[in-house]
Amino acid sequence: EVQLVESGGGLVQPGGSLRLSCAASGFTVSSNYMSWVRQAPGKGLEWVSVIYSGGSTYYADSVKGRFTISRDNSKNTLYLQMNSLRAEDTAVYYCARWSIAAHDAFDIWGQGTMVTVSS
Amino acid sequence: SSELTQDPAVSVALGQTVRITCQGDSLRSYYASWYQQKPGQAPVLVIYGKNNRPSGIPDRFSGSSSGNTASLTITGAQAEDEADYYCNSRDSSGNHLGVFGGGTKLTVL
Repeated sequence: EVQLVESGGGLVQPGGSLRLSCAASGFTVSSNYMSWVRQAPGKGLEWVSVIYSGGSTYYADSVKGRFTISRDNSKNTLYLQMNSLRAEDTAVYYCARWSIAAHDAFDIWGQGTMVTVSS
Repeated sequence: SSELTQDPAVSVALGQTVRITCQGDSLRSYYASWYQQKPGQAPVLVIYGKNNRPSGIPDRFSGSSSGNTASLTITGAQAEDEADYYCNSRDSSGNHLGVFGGGTKLTVL
């Protein structure tokens, strides 16, 4: 079964750090474009970051310099390292496969993990 | 601010047809994809490319595009179609980035 399962969310103080994980099954993370998308409470979806199959990474301006996307091919897992967290980073974070075969659509989504930045 | 613009809310009578639109410069170069999200759930892809439905998506969902506007049409809306709908494409200023519309809340009356 093709599936993504996120973990690592929680409560963190402003200025703190957190690392999210996204374990994939049924397909190979390193052969695909993989993204993080977030959704603040009661708000819409916001694209956060992508890692290409070749390893190139790109970020939304709102997180550039603070967040780092990476993957562990041996674990078939995607990560998002989040540093210098702010209250406005509070959101549900989803990992998703960005499918070139599906004309750049996000065709597989995880269930999401909640990150709360608060003192 | 989002580079893809959607109407915040749309309503449709049960069994009728509704069109949800998405406007943005990037849509002149890239296809839009559409996602359905119900409360407390992850988004689900419903339309991608020119007009393609993933397996399991009912054929009452269809997509189209003209110029800078993409549309999602639901023909014969059902109660279970009540949800938030988001469009998405590549960013217009740099094709490595993604962007979502602000979302449309669909109410089925």
